[in-house]
Amino acid sequence: AQSVAQPEDQVNVAEGNPLTVKCTYSVSGNPYLFWYVQYPNRGLQFLLKYITGDNLVKGSYGFEAEFNKSQTSFHLKKPSALVSDSALYFCARLGSGGYQKVTFGTGTKLQVIP
Amino acid sequence: DGGITQSPKYLFRKEGQNVTLSCEQNLNHDAMYWYRQDPGQGLRLIYYSQIVNDFQKGDIAEGYSVSREKKESFPLTVTSAQKNPTAFYLCASSRDGPYNEQFFGPGTRLTVL
Repeated sequence: AQSVAQPEDQVNVAEGNPLTVKCTYSVSGNPYLFWYVQYPNRGLQFLLKYITGDNLVKGSYGFEAEFNKSQTSFHLKKPSALVSDSALYFCARLGSGGYQKVTFGTGTKLQVIP
Repeated sequence: DGGITQSPKYLFRKEGQNVTLSCEQNLNHDAMYWYRQDPGQGLRLIYYSQIVNDFQKGDIAEGYSVSREKKESFPLTVTSAQKNPTAFYLCASSRDGPYNEQFFGPGTRLTVL
């Protein structure tokens, strides 16, 4: 099955330090990958996506992600974390077939410590 | 402003009752989706619709029903057959199917008493 995995339930980082939220994907089909963010008690917001082309994808709020085919990863990064970045982050993958369903990871809670 | 609205924000239901969650969008999107969010499980797809008067079951459709009579509206009914309905429900929409990113509503938190 085409899926994504987020190996860390929670990531803690000090304000101003670089942050990384990890995502790996299963090897089958074309990996169309997304990152979404969810602030407390709210819906998800789209951050960025990889469909094809440049392996480094830039998105909203200063976030970027690097598609790494050899490591089957799509880690989310930001050079300098803000307290306001504290939220729940979801990696997602587009499946294949007649209807291309999006499968979400289990989420990683990012806590930025002042 | 364009966006997706869900109502109510909080909903309480007694066991054995059906309840309908509202989802409306004014983004002119063709595709709409319902997800269920439980702690530690990510989002799971309940139903989706790619066009008016057509919808398909997702991964966890049992105990739920939907309708898509208008492009703007995609209500979800949680029936008494759903054995564990307490959860956070999210509605989403996208242009031309899931190749494009999805836009999410603020969610409805359903609690069964």
